[in-house]
Amino acid sequence: QVQLVQSGAEVKKPGASVKVSCKASGYTFTSYGISWVRQAPGQGLEWMGWISAYNGNTNYAQKLQGRVTMTTDTSTSTAYMELRSLRSDDTAVYYCAMNLFGDYWTHWGQGTLVTVSS
Amino acid sequence: DIQMTQSPSSLSASVGDRVTITCRASQGISNSLAWYQQKPGKAPKLLLYAASRLESGVPSRFSGSGSGTDYTLTISSLQPEDFATYYCQQYYSTPMYTFGQGTKLEIK
Repeated sequence: QVQLVQSGAEVKKPGASVKVSCKASGYTFTSYGISWVRQAPGQGLEWMGWISAYNGNTNYAQKLQGRVTMTTDTSTSTAYMELRSLRSDDTAVYYCAMNLFGDYWTHWGQGTLVTVSS
Repeated sequence: DIQMTQSPSSLSASVGDRVTITCRASQGISNSLAWYQQKPGKAPKLLLYAASRLESGVPSRFSGSGSGTDYTLTISSLQPEDFATYYCQQYYSTPMYTFGQGTKLEIK
């Protein structure tokens, strides 16, 4: 069965960077893309971007362009999301998500809490 | 970018009630719409896709309809486990996606 297992919680200072990992199993990693979605405390879901695990093509939400980089390591079936120049409003739970059959998401990681605080 | 406007933002209802949540896209999205349910501290759960197709394992009291820019999620008879926050998501502009702002469904 498909599983997405994310790295643990992080605490960062403003201006720092964070890199969250998402290890996939249960399917052919390079055949599908992975999206990243975040949720600030008490707020709604925000799509951050998508990466093709096949060729590394990416598409990022406009508001995060220049601060976010998504990558994959096909040797370990792991996707990464790096966010730079962190601000307090980047405090959120970050999820990776994928689907075998379409552009909506049936499989989600457990979420990674990133706290940005001085 | 396609904007998704969801309403209402919150809703109070009782067990057994029929409720409807609406999602409006800023342009036509040709039924490329999914609905999710999220409970506190949990990842979202897919309920429907292609506007009206029920995800496997989701109770039939959930249904979706709509076309063009306007879509609805209906819960025919609320159960205690349905009190949660619901989100729509468009995937017409793949691989760029947008969520609605969410509707919090609370017990009256």
